[in-house]
Amino acid sequence: ILNVEQSPQSLHVQEGDSTNFTCSFPSSNFYALHWYRWETAKSPEALFVMTLNGDEKKKGRISATLNTKEGYSYLYIKGSQPEDSATYLCALYGGATNKLIFGTGTLLAVQP
Amino acid sequence: GAVVSQHPSWVICKSGTSVKIECRSLDFQATTMFWYRQFPKQSLMLMATSNEGSKATYEQGVEKDKFLINHASLTLSTLTVTSAHPEDSSFYICSARDSRFDTQYFGPGTRLTVL
Repeated sequence: ILNVEQSPQSLHVQEGDSTNFTCSFPSSNFYALHWYRWETAKSPEALFVMTLNGDEKKKGRISATLNTKEGYSYLYIKGSQPEDSATYLCALYGGATNKLIFGTGTLLAVQP
Repeated sequence: GAVVSQHPSWVICKSGTSVKIECRSLDFQATTMFWYRQFPKQSLMLMATSNEGSKATYEQGVEKDKFLINHASLTLSTLTVTSAHPEDSSFYICSARDSRFDTQYFGPGTRLTVL
């Protein structure tokens, strides 16, 4: 059974702080890693799809890196804003199976 | 981004009744849709993969007779929780795969409470 772990479970930061979270996954048979942002009462929003070792992707103040050899991905938020408050989910994509295996998420709360 | 709707957003029902949840892709066609379930403080767990025009593929431990899935068109999949019991109370969320971008787009989820 594939196990995707995220840390920390929750995080409280002040507006303007930069922060990062970790997603760990089995490094064998890697296909892709997805990051989602999930605000309360809304649909999870796709942020990034990471496929290559060493990938670094950026969307505004949010960026992500990928290390498939050691089995981890980092998500960074620069200058956190209250509107960044959400649960950030990572999911390992199984390729031919089309399945996403999710971590439990990191809940970010940004205090104004 | 692509939009997936889910209806209803919440439902309360009596034990023994059946509940149908709809998942629609609004601006793209989805040959594959997925149904997930989330218990408090746990991750989204895949229940089944719904393929248009064919039978759904259920994950191990998910009762197919309990959770009926129908994917009759390229934009609609339904999940019916049959003879619901309190232990079926959970958050159910669907996603639709847009093959153009190899990305899954999620609905907002349905909170089911069985009394």
